[in-house]
Amino acid sequence: NAGVTQTPKFRVLKTGQSMTLLCAQDMNHEYMYWYRQDPGMGLRLIHYSVGEGTTAKGEVPDGYNVSRLKKQNFLLGLESAAPSQTSVYFCASSWGLAGAVSSSYEQYFGPGTRLTVT
Amino acid sequence: SQKIEQNSEALNIQEGKTATLTCNYTNYSPAYLQWYRQDPGRGPVFLLLIRENEKEKRKERLKVTFDTTLKQSLFHITASQPADSATYLCALGGKLQFGAGTQVVVTP
Repeated sequence: NAGVTQTPKFRVLKTGQSMTLLCAQDMNHEYMYWYRQDPGMGLRLIHYSVGEGTTAKGEVPDGYNVSRLKKQNFLLGLESAAPSQTSVYFCASSWGLAGAVSSSYEQYFGPGTRLTVT
Repeated sequence: SQKIEQNSEALNIQEGKTATLTCNYTNYSPAYLQWYRQDPGRGPVFLLLIRENEKEKRKERLKVTFDTTLKQSLFHITASQPADSATYLCALGGKLQFGAGTQVVVTP
């Protein structure tokens, strides 16, 4: 099992460009999450999904969009990149009841995507 | 708003000693708390989960306590080893709000 994989591992964007980060999991998890991690600030939740076809906003959703068309994939889009979006992005997945408000199960994280916006 | 505090200063400890990390929180009453380990350049890895009705949880050399009155969790690494050097994150709640983490450095 590959667990949680993220594509790409590194990316440099110019301000105003768009891109999509792909997250894939092979554990049949219902829940998937996107976080960003900045120095000294810990992980902050951007968006999450409690099942295929569902998405919800997290703590810092502005400037990002997500889609969960297939259970195993969770896409994070940046429509118009800004320097403030320079960060390391982590995807995670966990067990949980589809459609429930939250999951108490452990999260499995991907290796991260390092994004720089100039 | 909810706030999670972990010591931002690195904890330097000698091999074989016990490392103790703290996680304090305010404006929140989580039903459970989780601890993760993160190595440089990698994603966090789950270590332990403790629920509000549990005072203590152990896993091998790791021990976690959860005091809902003090709004605090303590994370202990006993008989620490250089391989335990990493950043340790605490996380609260259903969608997991994370602390910034505490770096542990174990020297031989």
